[in-house]
Amino acid sequence: QKEVEQNSGPLSVPEGAIASLNCTYSDRGSQSFFWYRQYSGKSPELIMFIYSNGDKEDGRFTAQLNKASQYVSLLIRDSQPSDSATYLCAVSNSGGYQKVTFGTGTKLQVIP
Amino acid sequence: GAVVSQHPSWVICKSGTSVKIECRSLDFQATTMFWYRQFPKQSLMLMATSNEGSKATYEQGVEKDKFLINHASLTLSTLTVTSAHPEDSSFYICSTLMGGSYNEQFFGPGTRLTVL
Repeated sequence: QKEVEQNSGPLSVPEGAIASLNCTYSDRGSQSFFWYRQYSGKSPELIMFIYSNGDKEDGRFTAQLNKASQYVSLLIRDSQPSDSATYLCAVSNSGGYQKVTFGTGTKLQVIP
Repeated sequence: GAVVSQHPSWVICKSGTSVKIECRSLDFQATTMFWYRQFPKQSLMLMATSNEGSKATYEQGVEKDKFLINHASLTLSTLTVTSAHPEDSSFYICSTLMGGSYNEQFFGPGTRLTVL
């Protein structure tokens, strides 16, 4: 079982719609959860992080965490073509060590 | 977030040569930096954790004698790919660990290495 799992996609949504990206993780003791956006040929860019159960909103982005289900998601409202990218879910391992594990990413395509 | 630079942004070299990649933290002192490698259409794979003033910690399967890491100052870590071969061609990305509780990492722009 992979430590961090994401559907590779592509996930296609029309412009203006809500894009929902999902991620599951295996380490129940994981503490922090991150969403990175990576454009083709570029390095990842941190969008959001969350560490408590529930929702965290930042502009058009909402991260949702459910530790009981070991599930974290990212919602993008009013999707724009510029949101088209690969979204990487990352999980900080338990035990205080500062390493994070990345999922393989979900490719999002926003159709104009 | 932290600002991280990498140099060079791309490099092409002949098989058997060594290549040095620099990673600089521009706006804060980074005691910890990470080096990742990403092959096309694959996710980031952590190669090693670089700690200022001490030896790097390598992930399982990463040859420490092939991928030399030096973190001699709080703003600079270097990765040297020794005796590079075509299979080492990849996108190498460094990141710094922002101080705080949540382990946010901020990435450099990456270095694309092509070994002929």
